[in-house]
Amino acid sequence: GQNIDQPTEMTATEGAIVQINCTYQTSGFNGLFWYQQHAGEAPTFLSYNVLDGLEEKGRFSSFLSRSKGYSYLLLKELQMKDSASYLCAVRDSNSGNTPLVFGKGTRLSVIA
Amino acid sequence: DAGITQSPRYKITETGRQVTLMCHQTWSHSYMFWYRQDLGHGLRLIYYSAAADITDKGEVPDGYVVSRSKTENFPLTLESATRSQTSVYFCASSDTLTGGNQPQHFGDGTRLSIL
Repeated sequence: GQNIDQPTEMTATEGAIVQINCTYQTSGFNGLFWYQQHAGEAPTFLSYNVLDGLEEKGRFSSFLSRSKGYSYLLLKELQMKDSASYLCAVRDSNSGNTPLVFGKGTRLSVIA
Repeated sequence: DAGITQSPRYKITETGRQVTLMCHQTWSHSYMFWYRQDLGHGLRLIYYSAAADITDKGEVPDGYVVSRSKTENFPLTLESATRSQTSVYFCASSDTLTGGNQPQHFGDGTRLSIL
């Protein structure tokens, strides 16, 4: 089966750093994706990890440990516009050709 | 640079009616997907398509029908709408999945209410 877990809600202060965790149990693995979704809008792609380690993209970084079935999204220098839901998604396959399986998302509120 | 567009953006209908949600992409992506998003469930896959005339069921296909006669279009039909199908529907597309690193790109969604 497939199981992807994320915290439901988090709150952080403007200018701070926040880490959003994702754990997964899938029968196969061919990549982990993070998406950002503002209320009432479509999810937008943030990052992709398939090898262990950290991928950095500006204020956002994503980490993966395949042996632990664990990833996190790190957001630095938080801004009010970062208030959104963050979705963790896994490609549950040992080949390329399967759709993503999504966690339920973490709603992040950035406060002044 | 239209990308992926869904129509209508909002729809209200009654139980038992047939409803078709449209999805059109201009990238010539081979893969297209339909998800529904509900509170407490996140995004759940309804159907997907690897190419024209090839479709596969996802996690929650019951009550839905899809077709893909052209690469750029992937309509979703609710044959006899039920209240449990009230949801926000997202269409997505991605390039060939070789290597696994192609993200899915989402349309703006259709908010469907069934009374």
